[in-house]
Amino acid sequence: GAGVSQSPSNKVTEKGKDVELRCDPISGHTALYWYRQSLGQGLEFLIYFQGNSAPDKSGLPSDRFSAERTGGSVSTLTIQRTQQEDSAVYLCASSHTGTRQETQYFGPGTRLLVL
Amino acid sequence: QQPVQSPQAVILREGEDAVINCSSSKALYSVHWYRQKHGEAPVFLMILLKGGEQKGHDKISASFNEKKQQSSLYLTASQLSYSGTYFCGTEDTGRRALTFGSGTRLQVQP
Repeated sequence: GAGVSQSPSNKVTEKGKDVELRCDPISGHTALYWYRQSLGQGLEFLIYFQGNSAPDKSGLPSDRFSAERTGGSVSTLTIQRTQQEDSAVYLCASSHTGTRQETQYFGPGTRLLVL
Repeated sequence: QQPVQSPQAVILREGEDAVINCSSSKALYSVHWYRQKHGEAPVFLMILLKGGEQKGHDKISASFNEKKQQSSLYLTASQLSYSGTYFCGTEDTGRRALTFGSGTRLQVQP
């Protein structure tokens, strides 16, 4: 596929469990972003990867959240000891080089529900 | 700081026009506009760059006032397909990621 893909599309988990969300950026895109969208809200930045540079983690809400990007392509967002307030849609986006003034293309998101 | 979008919601009849505004307190490199339909990913519409360049959709126009750090999205002769929530995302001198407004819900009725 030509677009950003994310898996799973939906995830239901119990409070306290760990979850992993996956993002496959557009082929050739070196920049990858994670955002979170709570019900009826705007998009909230979580973390940004650009090539081999150290990621910008300034948006992660707590140390329960972490992300990695292997081989400069696929990224995994991990939420440990999930809480009910973690319920949201987690969106991944990618852009070609991550330079300024560049379009970001979004994936379909993972809808996470913590019971 | 999150950019401020207005109005929060608007209802139109087909063929009517609408303007959505986005205002930031920070100096901006660019403003990005997206439309999101319920349960779907945000879809890119338009990017306005510091310096005046625009890239985006043929049927949607926008402006960017660099002095005021304000952008407006103009939807003319609205169609039913224009319904959705419109978000502006701003790129400032800080991080490379976008900071999004809270969205404007647009509903076009027949």
